[in-house]
Amino acid sequence: ETGVTQTPRHLVMGMTNKKSLKCEQHLGHNAMYWYKQSAKKPLELMFVYSLEERVENNSVPSRFSPECPNSSHLFLHLHTLQPEDSALYLCASSQETGSPYNEQFFGPGTRLTVL
Amino acid sequence: GQSLEQPSEVTAVEGAIVQINCTYQTSGFYGLSWYQQHDGGAPTFLSYNGLDGLEETGRFSSFLSRSDSYGYLLLQELQMKDSASYFCAVRDNYGQNFVFGPGTRLSVLP
Repeated sequence: ETGVTQTPRHLVMGMTNKKSLKCEQHLGHNAMYWYKQSAKKPLELMFVYSLEERVENNSVPSRFSPECPNSSHLFLHLHTLQPEDSALYLCASSQETGSPYNEQFFGPGTRLTVL
Repeated sequence: GQSLEQPSEVTAVEGAIVQINCTYQTSGFYGLSWYQQHDGGAPTFLSYNGLDGLEETGRFSSFLSRSDSYGYLLLQELQMKDSASYFCAVRDNYGQNFVFGPGTRLSVLP
């Protein structure tokens, strides 16, 4: 059973809505990640947090706003999304970002549909 | 730019051996990892190569040649449950940026 949980599992929203995705890891890890997985495209790293500090932001539009209040919780706040933002959003965690080994543990994802 | 290439699909029969290749072009290199993802599931870590050579974990092995910017995942004694997508991923030297390949869909036939 995965030690990373995500809620909700499915989300349908209009372009004018504001919603948040939640991720929680129970593994005692120091780093957390948001990925976007679209059909026919590779997994795209969006944000990386290490010890609650954002260390990576891969040119993600400002309509996606991450928040990491502590090392166990990660949020992705969504507002004024576009239909092309429809995808599976995956959260992951790892022991630490400094180690090259850095095995990542993924949550089950949130399937987002933007109408 | 940063890119990884993998075959899009591979098909094999139960009990066979299959090799999934990955070539990469990244600004830095900090190791090659492999992940498995079943339909509707989360990616799960399979293996990591930081240095050249072969790493073996049960039925799965992974190989890396840094001079060729190339690696592969070898799956032996294939089982139906191995039907899934397999992704290679490179961590470059800039922060903790991970670049994933497009994935290879493996279908294991009876």
